[in-house]
Amino acid sequence: AQKITQTQPGMFVQEKEAVTLDCTYDTSDQSYGLFWYKQPSSGEMIFLIYQGSYDEQNATEGRYSLNFQKARKSANLVISASQLGDSAMYFCAMREKDSSYKLIFGSGTRLLVRP
Amino acid sequence: NTGVTQTPKFRILKIGQSMTLQCTQDMNHNYMYWYRQDPGMGLKLIYYSVGAGITDKGEVPNGYNVSRSTTEDFPLRLELAAPSQTSVYFCASSKGQGYLEFFGPGTRLTVL
Repeated sequence: AQKITQTQPGMFVQEKEAVTLDCTYDTSDQSYGLFWYKQPSSGEMIFLIYQGSYDEQNATEGRYSLNFQKARKSANLVISASQLGDSAMYFCAMREKDSSYKLIFGSGTRLLVRP
Repeated sequence: NTGVTQTPKFRILKIGQSMTLQCTQDMNHNYMYWYRQDPGMGLKLIYYSVGAGITDKGEVPNGYNVSRSTTEDFPLRLELAAPSQTSVYFCASSKGQGYLEFFGPGTRLTVL
């Protein structure tokens, strides 16, 4: 079964508008972490934001915020005031509490910001 | 600290050839990982290591081998390259639970 599901293969957003990228996850652990990474066309993985399962407040980092709804097992990324440089692939990932602390990635959403 | 470095950046192999992808980190992280990213997909874990001398298989280990003789280095070995191994390979490291995972710049491998 998919552990991380990103249902939007591609999205468009107008420059300066906000956009929400969806992510749902599946785990039976009580302790886990959720991450969002950005991958521009150059290929590197850029960390954006992190939410721990016990964090009561939604995480925010500048223009990025994470809409964490634990009961629904969703961790959507909200980008406010989109910029042309936000055009990239975005990956949601989860780290469960096992001995490897590995990340499990979704299939990604390609965001294109229109001028 | 330079973070996680990977060499080479690009490589083209012929079917059946072997090669080693190098990965080094200078952050004294115990945990290191190799992922592959196929076109249009997310990253899948190949192998990981929780410390020097300790390695284990991830989701897609077939066709690969790893070793971890030092904390800093975690090379990935392809013994008999196949076209299915055409992918971008990322090495990553972290301190573990609750800590950020740092990624290398990736190695783009094509097997023809």
